[in-house]
Amino acid sequence: ILNVEQSPQSLHVQEGDSTNFTCSFPSSNFYALHWYRWETAKSPEALFVMTLNGDEKKKGRISATLNTKEGYSYLYIKGSQPEDSATYLCAFGNQGGKLIFGQGTELSVKP
Amino acid sequence: SAVISQKPSRDICQRGTSLTIQCQVDSQVTMMFWYRQQPGQSLTLIATANQGSEATYESGFVIDKFPISRPNLTFSTLTVSNMSPEDSSIYLCSVARRGGEQYFGPGTRLTVT
Repeated sequence: ILNVEQSPQSLHVQEGDSTNFTCSFPSSNFYALHWYRWETAKSPEALFVMTLNGDEKKKGRISATLNTKEGYSYLYIKGSQPEDSATYLCAFGNQGGKLIFGQGTELSVKP
Repeated sequence: SAVISQKPSRDICQRGTSLTIQCQVDSQVTMMFWYRQQPGQSLTLIATANQGSEATYESGFVIDKFPISRPNLTFSTLTVSNMSPEDSSIYLCSVARRGGEQYFGPGTRLTVT
């Protein structure tokens, strides 16, 4: 059974702090790693799709790195803002489009 | 991107009844997916809905419990049959685009009493 794990489960930071989360996944038969941001009562929002070992992607203050050989990805948020409060999900994707999700990291940013 | 709507957005249902959730996409897509998130659990794939063929179910999910229709390339329904409190979840549909990104609907929050 393919397992995707995220840590930490939850994180409470002050506005302006930088933070990072980890996603671990099986390193064999890698196809793609997805990051999503999910706010309550909204659709999960796609942040990144990463496919190549060593990939680094950036979107505003959010960036992600990928290591397919050791099976992990990091998501970084620089200078967290209250509007960054959400659950951040990673998912291991296969060629057929199926996604296997981790349990998510719940981020709370206090003003 | 894709604009996806779901109906209903939330519902409270009695055990033993069934609920049909609708998913509408603003453009034609080949593959649609149905996921659920039970309280405290990961988002889990229920099935892949392909137009013109039967849905493909993941391990642990069966057609009798979660029948799916895909009458055209922009619409799908998922029915949760003979509900029990364990079916209380958020149900989401999604579509896959070229480049691998998947776009999700806003979800249906189901509570079974």
